[in-house]
Formats: sequence, C-alpha cells, structure tokens
Amino acid sequence: DGGITQSPKYLFRKEGQNVTLSCEQNLNHDAMYWYRQDPGQGLRLIYYSQIVNDFQKGDIAEGYSVSREKKESFPLTVTSAQKNPTAFYLCASSMTRDNEQFFGPGTRLTVL
Amino acid sequence: QQPVQSPQAVILREGEDAVINCSSSKALYSVHWYRQKHGEAPVFLMILLKGGEQKGHEKISASFNEKKQQSSLYLTASQLSYSGTYFCGTDTDSWGKLQFGAGTQVVVTP
Repeated sequence: DGGITQSPKYLFRKEGQNVTLSCEQNLNHDAMYWYRQDPGQGLRLIYYSQIVNDFQKGDIAEGYSVSREKKESFPLTVTSAQKNPTAFYLCASSMTRDNEQFFGPGTRLTVL
Repeated sequence: QQPVQSPQAVILREGEDAVINCSSSKALYSVHWYRQKHGEAPVFLMILLKGGEQKGHEKISASFNEKKQQSSLYLTASQLSYSGTYFCGTDTDSWGKLQFGAGTQVVVTP
C-alpha cells in the first residue's frame, strides 16, 4: 500500500535536546512538506521541498532544520533553538504543486 | 498572510446544508480544502485552481471566485460523518506553499 509514514507517533524530549522526526513516502511524490499544528489552530508551514536536494523555508522555520537527500525521505530536526516545540507535527507530500497533499498520521512532540 | 475562514463553528442536524467561506487578502493561484477529525491527519476534499479547474471528491462541491479572492465549500444534505474541522489552504505564488485558515468546526447531530 502506498502512503506516508511518520515516526514516532509520540515523542518526549527534555529541554535543550535536539530531536529528529521521520517522514517517509512511497508514493513517488516530488514535493514534501512539514507543518506544525497547535491545539485549536490551523497548520503552519515549517519547510517544504519540491525536489531532491532542495528545500525552502516556510513561515515558521526558525529552530528547525531539514534535509532531502532521497526522494522518499524528508526528516525534520527540532533543535534546542526552538523555544516552544510542543505541538503536533504533520508531514505531507504531493505529486506536484497542483495536486492534493497527502498527510501522514503525525508525531505529537512534548517537551518536558 | 493567513486566509480568514467563516464561520468559526456551525452545528447542523443531519440533512441540513451549510456553507464555509475562505477569504484571502492576496490574489490566489489555488485553494485547497481539507477535513480533520480530532487527533487525526487532515484528509483531502478538493482543490480549486485559477482558471476554473477543480479536482476532488464527487460528493463535495465548492466555488472559487478569483476576483473576490474567495472560496466557499458547500456541505449539502449533511451526514454524521461530515463532523470535523474544515480547513482551507491558499497558494498565492503557485509554488504549492499553502497557508491555512484557523478552521471551521462542524458538528452534525442526529
């Protein structure tokens, strides 16, 4: 079955630690995206990538980093520079920018 | 800039209709609509592209007024399964970089 997987589902981190969230897709999509969602709010774009080895900052990129070394993978690192990282993180992919975005199940990150 | 959705919430009885609006302060290349149930990932409903092309599920209808920079989603003969939070995402520069509204919570009761 084709789809997007994110791991882990729940993640707990101590303040000051970096943590990496995994996102893998087997849909052969060129474009991939990372969003952050806070309780009761909409999605905000962190980073996006339209092609391998290229990515662009979204609206809230500060404190986050990404890489796109393979078409199917787009990991997100939440660094210690991110002041308030507790949130629900969603990864998405699309064939092209004119197609729907398919979302993974999300990772819920809590900073202790 | 984030699009504005209205209303913030709506309660419907099964079989009733509702309209959700999405308004942008910038010219739009496309509008995407998604529904999210609590704790789950958003699910795609429809894309409306500049020029009139639409892609989406047959049971969902929406409109896109390029001049007014607005889109509306129509929930017709609502079912219990329509409950959830509806988000519009707008692309203003044709790069697939979406900005999402704050959402419209829809509750359908028996």
